[in-house]
Amino acid sequence: GAGVSQSPSNKVTEKGKDVELRCDPISGHTALYWYRQSLGQGLEFLIYFQGNSAPDKSGLPSDRFSAERTGGSVSTLTIQRTQQEDSAVYLCASSSQLTSSGTDTQYFGPGTRLTVL
Amino acid sequence: DQQVKQNSPSLSVQEGRISILNCDYTNSMFDYFLWYKKYPAEGPTFLISISSIKDKNEDGRFTVFLNKSAKHLSLHIVPSQPGDSAVYFCAASERGSQGNLIFGKGTKLSVKP
Repeated sequence: GAGVSQSPSNKVTEKGKDVELRCDPISGHTALYWYRQSLGQGLEFLIYFQGNSAPDKSGLPSDRFSAERTGGSVSTLTIQRTQQEDSAVYLCASSSQLTSSGTDTQYFGPGTRLTVL
Repeated sequence: DQQVKQNSPSLSVQEGRISILNCDYTNSMFDYFLWYKKYPAEGPTFLISISSIKDKNEDGRFTVFLNKSAKHLSLHIVPSQPGDSAVYFCAASERGSQGNLIFGKGTKLSVKP
């Protein structure tokens, strides 16, 4: 597609349920990033992929969070046993390649607004 | 502890005047800085960037200034237009990182006609 797409756009779930968020990056982009923005906060980096590999998972807030990427394209972020503090907008971005300085522009999707009741 | 700080949560400017958005950082390993613009219900959109080897970068109405000694950067918008009304995020990337960006909390700019 023309840009990064994310689904669903909104997700309301009950505490304790699992959720899966999806990101479709720009075609051909090898690098993919997940961020989240909690209310009143800036964007918080979660994890990145170079191809299908996520070499550093230390940005994930807890072991309830996991992410995968298949075929060098679509990525899913899964949150198990959701908690109210997981409520946030989850944003995905992609760029054409990873560089040591992050100089390749990251293009963001519209985000998924997650509300945990 | 926040590595990128935008101390003004909001800014109101008259159309046609200059908008100046400020950003401070603490990590001396940051070597690339970016400004993103965000409208409600949309993802951030890249606006302009600057490498640490420069002190100024200009693109049309937008200019970013970097003062490394003060660990400060600013975004100037001249002249401001109502369509510039949005939340502006300052972001930085660390030398040797894999490109993940560290964002400030954002400044909401309102440009009044």
